[in-house]
Amino acid sequence: AQSVTQPDIHITVSEGASLELRCNYSYGATPYLFWYVQSPGQGLQLLLKYFSGDTLVQGIKGFEAEFKRSQSSFNLRKPSVHWSDAAEYFCAVVEWANQAGTALIFGKGTTLSVSS
Amino acid sequence: DVKVTQSSRYLVKRTGEKVFLECVQDMDHENMFWYRQDPGLGLRLIYFSYDVKMKEKGDIPEGYSVSREKKERFSLILESASTNQTSMYLCASSPYGREGYGYTFGSGTRLTVV
Repeated sequence: AQSVTQPDIHITVSEGASLELRCNYSYGATPYLFWYVQSPGQGLQLLLKYFSGDTLVQGIKGFEAEFKRSQSSFNLRKPSVHWSDAAEYFCAVVEWANQAGTALIFGKGTTLSVSS
Repeated sequence: DVKVTQSSRYLVKRTGEKVFLECVQDMDHENMFWYRQDPGLGLRLIYFSYDVKMKEKGDIPEGYSVSREKKERFSLILESASTNQTSMYLCASSPYGREGYGYTFGSGTRLTVV
């Protein structure tokens, strides 16, 4: 079974500083990878995704992520954090189940706090 | 935009009750999923379905069952609710063969079992 690891449970960043959230996955072939964000009391929103092509992908809200096969990583970055970015962030990978079904497997999440 | 609608935002049920959580999507997606979300544990897959009347167990199926009689509707059933099933439940859907385009989630049902 595939797995996703987010090593950092909680990160605090100053407003205007840069951000990097780490994500490592286990999968033999090229994975389908996602980052989702969940603001307090809200549902999950897709930030960006990777499934082929350019390994640096751009997402919404100024976020980007880089797929590095050699490191089995898909880290999320933002050059300048805004207070509204405070939320929980989830990395996820598609797992190809039997009979052509698929499921999305999530990491445990990283909570981002933004200090002024 | 595809919509995934969960019938209840908040539910309070008693221990031992049979509980139904309903999810409807309006974009003809083949795949549907039920997750539970708990602090520090992220989202864990309970069950998913890739077609009508088809179902697959996820990572934590114990104490749950599901029903998919129509393509657009996927129900999660707690046969006899217990306090350890107090959680946030999220439904999602995706189109088969285009998983790279992402999954769409409902707003969630916060279930409290007392």
